[in-house]
Amino acid sequence: DTGVSQNPRHKITKRGQNVTFRCDPISEHNRLYWYRQTLGQGPEFLTYFQNEAQLEKSRLLSDRFSAERPKGSFSTLEIQRTEQGDSAMYLCASSPPPGLGKEGGYTFGSGTRLTVV
Amino acid sequence: AQSVTQPDIHITVSEGASLELRCNYSYGATPYLFWYVQSPGQGLQLLLKYFSGDTLVQGIKGFEAEFKRSQSSFNLRKPSVHWSDAAEYFCAVSGGGYNKLIFGAGTRLAVHP
Repeated sequence: DTGVSQNPRHKITKRGQNVTFRCDPISEHNRLYWYRQTLGQGPEFLTYFQNEAQLEKSRLLSDRFSAERPKGSFSTLEIQRTEQGDSAMYLCASSPPPGLGKEGGYTFGSGTRLTVV
Repeated sequence: AQSVTQPDIHITVSEGASLELRCNYSYGATPYLFWYVQSPGQGLQLLLKYFSGDTLVQGIKGFEAEFKRSQSSFNLRKPSVHWSDAAEYFCAVSGGGYNKLIFGAGTRLAVHP
């Protein structure tokens, strides 16, 4: 169990540029979640996948945001035409499927800190 | 609407003192409740969770929490705080063990020697 891996750890970009983050979940976990955390706030839910299907998207996820999870493995979160308000920590988490006695076993990555200048 | 309120933004305690962090939730159904801890620049580590059964839940690092349905609360406690407990603490609620988590704004804990 190598944990949830997120890359890059830090990203500085100019306003208007596109950025993409990657999350590698724990291999046997079938659910994958993205959250955004701004300074002094708790994480806010963005979207989640069960296998390759995107099952829910928050209204926080504007049209500039898109997430994918091809083949139900790693996931990417892309932000197009970044704005200064997008500056935040983007956290990824994964959880195991039901039936393994691991209900509530969310594992979080260390996050990608995005700074838009 | 689902929500979590952590009334205390910052708390400072002396090392060795007891600690209680407050959490109130709003949820229409039976809540699944969690406490996480986050150190600077790090991800979230689960301290404990409550789904059902005994309303007093024991977690890691000597923490415990008590679920009180009548007060919609899930307060976190520790009898004796260590300097290494300084961090940010988040309470969260979910509709199940595999659903999205709704987090509170967090309580930042400082520990004086």
